[in-house]
Amino acid sequence: AQSVSQHNHHVILSEAASLELGCNYSYGGTVNLFWYVQYPGQHLQLLLKYFSGDPLVKGIKGFEAEFIKSKFSFNLRKPSVQWSDTAEYFCAVNANTNAGKSTFGDGTTLTVKP
Amino acid sequence: DAGVIQSPRHEVTEMGQEVTLRCKPISGHNSLFWYRQTMMRGLELLIYFNNNVPIDDSGMPEDRFSAKMPNASFSTLKIQPSEPRDSAVYFCASSLRTSNTEAFFGQGTRLTVV
Repeated sequence: AQSVSQHNHHVILSEAASLELGCNYSYGGTVNLFWYVQYPGQHLQLLLKYFSGDPLVKGIKGFEAEFIKSKFSFNLRKPSVQWSDTAEYFCAVNANTNAGKSTFGDGTTLTVKP
Repeated sequence: DAGVIQSPRHEVTEMGQEVTLRCKPISGHNSLFWYRQTMMRGLELLIYFNNNVPIDDSGMPEDRFSAKMPNASFSTLKIQPSEPRDSAVYFCASSLRTSNTEAFFGQGTRLTVV
């Protein structure tokens, strides 16, 4: 079975600081990887996804993530965070053999201080 | 497309009452998921359907919970009888039944059982 681990439960940054949120998954086969964001009081929305090609994926709002297959990692980054990035971030993995069903990490809450 | 539509947005009910949550997936999507989100447990997958057929209901907490998908455009999650510990935000999500597509989440139903 696949699983997803997000290392940081809560991250607090000041505006303009750089962000990196860790995500590791356990599954030996081919996977598709996602980052979702949940703003306070809202539903989950897709930030970015990887399924093939360039392992550096760019998403909305200046976010990017890098898939490192050898490390089973898909870390999320942003060079300079804004107060509006305050949200909960979820990493998810979907194995090619398990079409349609993603396994989500426990989420990381990001608080950006103005 | 209006996205995934859930109703009601908020539900307050007394312990012991039956609660029915409703979901209309995005037209053309053939996978549907019910999630529950709480502070204590995070985001939990309760059940998912492919082509209206329940595939995995191992996340359904107990027999008080049941879910149906009578057709491709409608699903319900029922709790009978409800208990205070069922208080949570319930999300419905839909996707295409392929592994490299993301799930689209509804706005959620915030359930409070008093």
